[in-house]
Formats: sequence, C-alpha cells, structure tokens
Amino acid sequence: DQQVKQNSPSLSVQEGRISILNCDYTNSMFDYFLWYKKYPAEGPTFLISISSIKDKNEDGRFTVFLNKSAKHLSLHIVPSQPGDSAVYFCAASNSGGSNYKLTFGKGTLLTVNP
Amino acid sequence: GAGVSQTPSNKVTEKGKYVELRCDPISGHTALYWYRQSLGQGPEFLIYFQGTGAADDSGLPNDRFFAVRPEGSVSTLKIQRTERGDSAVYLCASSPGRGTYEQYFGPGTRLTVT
Repeated sequence: DQQVKQNSPSLSVQEGRISILNCDYTNSMFDYFLWYKKYPAEGPTFLISISSIKDKNEDGRFTVFLNKSAKHLSLHIVPSQPGDSAVYFCAASNSGGSNYKLTFGKGTLLTVNP
Repeated sequence: GAGVSQTPSNKVTEKGKYVELRCDPISGHTALYWYRQSLGQGPEFLIYFQGTGAADDSGLPNDRFFAVRPEGSVSTLKIQRTERGDSAVYLCASSPGRGTYEQYFGPGTRLTVT
C-alpha cells in the first residue's frame, strides 16, 4: 500500500521554465512533508519542507504548496536550471509517531534541458 | 563539517553469507535511521535509534536483520544468511534529535547478493 505517490516517473523541461513536481498521499496522519533531491551514487539531499499548518513555503527558486483537503503537494522550481536535473523524492512524516520516520514516494526524474 | 559517512560503498556477497554495514552519523546527532532503497523505489524505513536504543525497528523485514548503536554514535546494520532479495542500496540518515523532521543522508552502501 503506497501511502505517498509520485505518479510521474519523469519530467522534462526547458532551462529557464518552471518545473512542477507532484505528490499525493493517503495517510491523513501525515503532518509534515519534505522534498529530497538525489543525484546518482549519492544519498538524498534535503531540499525544502512544509508543515501541515501551512499551505506554502518558499526558499529561493523552490516553493512547496500543500493542499490538505486534496492530500496533494507540489514542488515548483523557477527558473529551472540544468543542475536541477536529478531524482526528486516526496516524503511524509507523522509527528504523533514520535520517531519522525519518513515515508517516501518512488521519485520523479527531472531533466532540465539547456 | 563532515556529513554522514557509510562503509563500504559497495559490497558483493554470496547468498547465505553474513554482512555488516557501517554508518557514521553527523557529530552530535542523536537520532539515526536506516532505510533500504530497491531499484525503482523510494527509500523504505528499516529502524530508528534515539541515542543507543532502537526506538522503532518495525521496518526490519525479518529476524535476519539486526542493527546496533552501542555508544550512541556509529551504527552497524547486520544481515545474516543473505538472500538475493536483500540486494539494494542501504541508506543511513541522522538528525539532531527529537522534534526534528529533516534527516541528513549518507551516500549509501550498495549490497549485491549473488
């Protein structure tokens, strides 16, 4: 049972344009969400996060939007750069569990073309 | 400062053998996690340590898997009687401790069971 779903295995965008990566979740107990970026042969790197009490969080070129009623979040990258090409994982956590373990989606491979 | 390190980076072993995978967390981080990432999947939670104790081992797939963190720093994931299905990348992550969602990952150990 996949509790965090990233339905697009891959996405290709042109340099300078917006990249939008989507994520859906099914567990209503999740109250914190994170995006990680992963290059080949490296571990995932934390990118940005959002608490369920917010609907938007912005950090430079990266913005995460959360729609709790739809159990949906998205990551916007503007403008996209070739160095952003990587696999992006959506992850969720439940503070009530007291262990802060992360549940990940399968990832979306983003390719930014020069 | 130094990030999370994992050794070895690659491990090839024969079916039925015993393996140990090591994780050195970021200095001062009290929380340590092990995840397993199979091909085409996101990381899946295995076990969580807060200090020296395994606070949640609900993700360990069976009793062939065991992990320790005797001094609250370095952790070792131990797999007995390895099977081909154990082949995956084993990721370790650490975080400052309670109340912190963001986890910092090491580069992983790629385990191949032949």
